[in-house]
Amino acid sequence: EVQLLESGGGLVQPGGSLRLSCAASGFTFSIYAMSWVRQAPGKRLEWVSMITGSGSSTAYADSVEGRFTISRDNSKNTLYLQMNSLRAEDTALYYCAKADCGSISCYTRDHWGQGTLVTVSP
Amino acid sequence: DIQMTQSPSSLSASVGDRVTITCRASQNINKYVNWYQQKAGKAPKLLIYTASSLQSGVPARFSGSGSGTDFTLAISSLQPEDLATYYCQQSYGAPDTFGQGTKLEI
Repeated sequence: EVQLLESGGGLVQPGGSLRLSCAASGFTFSIYAMSWVRQAPGKRLEWVSMITGSGSSTAYADSVEGRFTISRDNSKNTLYLQMNSLRAEDTALYYCAKADCGSISCYTRDHWGQGTLVTVSP
Repeated sequence: DIQMTQSPSSLSASVGDRVTITCRASQNINKYVNWYQQKAGKAPKLLIYTASSLQSGVPARFSGSGSGTDFTLAISSLQPEDLATYYCQQSYGAPDTFGQGTKLEI
């Protein structure tokens, strides 16, 4: 059974940093692209960042480019999102999601974690 | 970015009803639409991929259709457990984008 377990969310002041983690199990982690997708309260889902199975390619939404960094450790079956220079508009529930293939253009996400809440507030 | 617009934004129906939700893309996206179900307080769940393919384990009462710019998610006989918000997503190009959601009330 595929399981994705996010952690690392919390309350942070504007301009601060957080590192999210997503522990994966139940599938061959290194084969599949992984994404972070967020959902602000009452808002639609918004893709944030993506990384290929090998970790060689990454992509970011314009809204987080230059502030967020996605990475993965295939030896630990773990996905990360380093978030710097956080803004109030980054407040959201952040989901880790598995793609159905390994490349940077794999946008279909067949398994999702339960999410970790990030709140950016003074 | 490709905009995805769903209608209606909310829908009330009864058990056993046939329900349809539509999604319109701002440009031709071939058949690259996915549909997700999100129950309150839960993670999204993939229902339909590439417009009409049923994800493994999803009940056959769910179906999808469409191509180009107009797409439809149908539930043939509504069940109480179908209470959720439904999102379409275009997987045609980067960045992939989601509709605003359709909240289904039973």
